[in-house]
Amino acid sequence: SQTIHQWPATLVQPVGSPLSLECTVEGTSNPNLYWYRQAAGRGLQLLFYSVGIGQISSEVPQNLSASRPQDRQFILSSKKLLLSDSGFYLCAWSGGFTGARGQPQHFGDGTRLSIL
Amino acid sequence: GENVEQHPSTLSVQEGDSAVIKCTYSDSASNYFPWYKQELGKRPQLIIDIRSNVGEKKDQRIAVTLNKTAKHFSLHITETQPEDSAVYFCAASMGSGNTGKLIFGQGTTLQVKP
Repeated sequence: SQTIHQWPATLVQPVGSPLSLECTVEGTSNPNLYWYRQAAGRGLQLLFYSVGIGQISSEVPQNLSASRPQDRQFILSSKKLLLSDSGFYLCAWSGGFTGARGQPQHFGDGTRLSIL
Repeated sequence: GENVEQHPSTLSVQEGDSAVIKCTYSDSASNYFPWYKQELGKRPQLIIDIRSNVGEKKDQRIAVTLNKTAKHFSLHITETQPEDSAVYFCAASMGSGNTGKLIFGQGTTLQVKP
């Protein structure tokens, strides 16, 4: 069966520090991968998605970036964190090669990021 | 652009009553509509979904209905229990391409009072 791992679970970082969050998927090949951010009590904001290695699409302009160095690895990064980067970061995957047929997304346990 | 409107934003019911959450989507090419439940501090979890070739789907106490003509879909929870208390998100698939992107509603906070 497929599983998705995200780490760390919680992170406290000072303003201006770098960031690296990692997500890996097991049990599937060539998944579509997604990074979301959720502010406290709010909805899901799609930040980045990827349909293949090295292919990254950005949904929202910001000081974050994403990379997909391997098929089942998705990394969210920042060179300098801002206070507004605080939130709950969720990685998700869905099946690839589905054409226009919609598929469910499956979420990791998330990383709660606090910027001080 | 495409969007999904979800109502109500908050819903409070007595244990045993029914709860209904409604969503409207704008992309006529959307063909897949999942519902997620998110408990406090946890990840969203898929609870039920429906495809555009089906009008209704039921799984025990939860059901989803879809009206493609009106671009409406709804989540129905019967015999609510305190453990149903959570935030519920509807979503609709983006109709074009192979990105697998979903457009999420803003969420409904359901409180079931014992």
